[in-house]
Amino acid sequence: KAGVTQTPRYLIKTRGQQVTLSCSPISGHRSVSWYQQTPGQGLQFLFEYFSETQRNKGNFPGRFSGRQFSNSRSEMNVSTLELGDSALYLCASSRGQRGETQYFGPGTRLLVL
Amino acid sequence: GQQVMQIPQYQHVQEGEDFTTYCNSSTTLSNIQWYKQRPGGHPVFLIQLVKSGEVKKQKRLTFQFGEAKKNSSLHITATQTTDVGTYFCAGEGGGSTLGRLYFGRGTQLTVWP
Repeated sequence: KAGVTQTPRYLIKTRGQQVTLSCSPISGHRSVSWYQQTPGQGLQFLFEYFSETQRNKGNFPGRFSGRQFSNSRSEMNVSTLELGDSALYLCASSRGQRGETQYFGPGTRLLVL
Repeated sequence: GQQVMQIPQYQHVQEGEDFTTYCNSSTTLSNIQWYKQRPGGHPVFLIQLVKSGEVKKQKRLTFQFGEAKKNSSLHITATQTTDVGTYFCAGEGGGSTLGRLYFGRGTQLTVWP
């Protein structure tokens, strides 16, 4: 079974631009969660989508948004990029039920200049 | 809101020494999961604990879930250089937070040969 894939793997943007990141979950998984990881800050939860609906949301500003398609693939968008948005963005998929393991993708490393 | 605290943030040990990381939740958890992230990698699932007072072992790793299901620990006996990485605990709450894992900030383990 193929793992979680994320594209692109690396991205360089400038302040004020916007970016879209993509995540393809493991086949059969309906839940996709997004996390931001910066040095020393651990995994900051952005949001979780289940069956095309946002089911959980973290405490990030509205510049961070996402969506999920009918095939469970998910995208995350960040508008008006700031220097502090430089981070590793990880997505994780699961079947979405209680007690499910999350399987992480390799991440997209975003650098904002 | 729900929080999972994890200590210590960093731990440096000599190869062969033991290592322990601790997690504490502000609320009762339905289950707790542990993940390991190698340097440059992404978090990988290690184990899940569900029952109050549960103890599970994986070779040199021992995982415990507290009686009140609010705390957990991971103990590594006789560390090896292959144990290097960041260990995260992640708790799942109940009710409306189905599908969301609350991650601790992680403990970054360095093992000196």
